[in-house]
Amino acid sequence: DTGVSQNPRHKITKRGQNVTFRCDPISEHNRLYWYRQTLGQGPEFLTYFQNEAQLEKSRLLSDRFSAERPKGSFSTLEIQRTEQGDSAMYLCASSLVAGGPDEQFFGPGTRLTVL
Amino acid sequence: EDKVVQSPLSLVVHEGDTVTLNCSYEVTNFRSLLWYKQEKKAPTFLFMLTSSGIEKKSGRLSSILDKKELSSILNITATQTGDSAIYLCAVEANTGTASKLTFGTGTRLQVTL
Repeated sequence: DTGVSQNPRHKITKRGQNVTFRCDPISEHNRLYWYRQTLGQGPEFLTYFQNEAQLEKSRLLSDRFSAERPKGSFSTLEIQRTEQGDSAMYLCASSLVAGGPDEQFFGPGTRLTVL
Repeated sequence: EDKVVQSPLSLVVHEGDTVTLNCSYEVTNFRSLLWYKQEKKAPTFLFMLTSSGIEKKSGRLSSILDKKELSSILNITATQTGDSAIYLCAVEANTGTASKLTFGTGTRLQVTL
C-alpha cells in the first residue's frame, strides 16, 4: 500500500499523559498536513509542513501540541498533558505541489480517547 | 476568517434519486475548492476545482465551481446505497508561503432502498 499511513490507529490515554502520533506520507510528497476532526464536524486544520519546514500553525495548536518533520519525510504530532477535549480523530494528509493547486491525500487517522 | 458552509446538513433519498449538494465559501486568496467523500474512515478525494464553469465528472458524480457566486455544487445521479457518506467541501487559500485548507462541516447523505 503506497498511501498515507498513520500509527497508531487508536490510542487511549489518561488525562495528563503525553501522546505521540506518527504519519508517513506518500513517498516524495513534499507537503504534509495535520488535521483534527471531532464527531459531526469537518476536519480542522492544525499545521502544515513544506519538506521539513513548518510553515503554518493554526491557533488551535496550543503550546501543548508540537509537530515535527525532521527529515522532510515522516512527521510526528505530540500532545503533552492531554485533556479530555483533545479526544478526536487526528488526520494526516500529504500532497505533491509543484506550482499548481494542492491535492491532498488523507491517511486513515489516529483516534485519540482521553479518559 | 475563512469560512465554508455546506447545505443541506443532512439528506435522505431513495436509491435512484438525483441529489445536489451545495458549498459556499468566503476565503481570502482563493486557490481551489475540493470535494471529499468520507465514510467511516478518512476522507477520500473526489474533485478539485479551480476554474469557474468547467464541470468535472467521475461516473455518476459531477461538480462545478461558480467563482462569481463563491459556491460549488456536487451532483450525484442515480444514487446507490454505496453513496451514503458525509460529503465534505474544502477550500484552499493561498497565504503567501503556505496554503491552508478550510473544511465545511459536511453534508450527511443517506441513500435508502
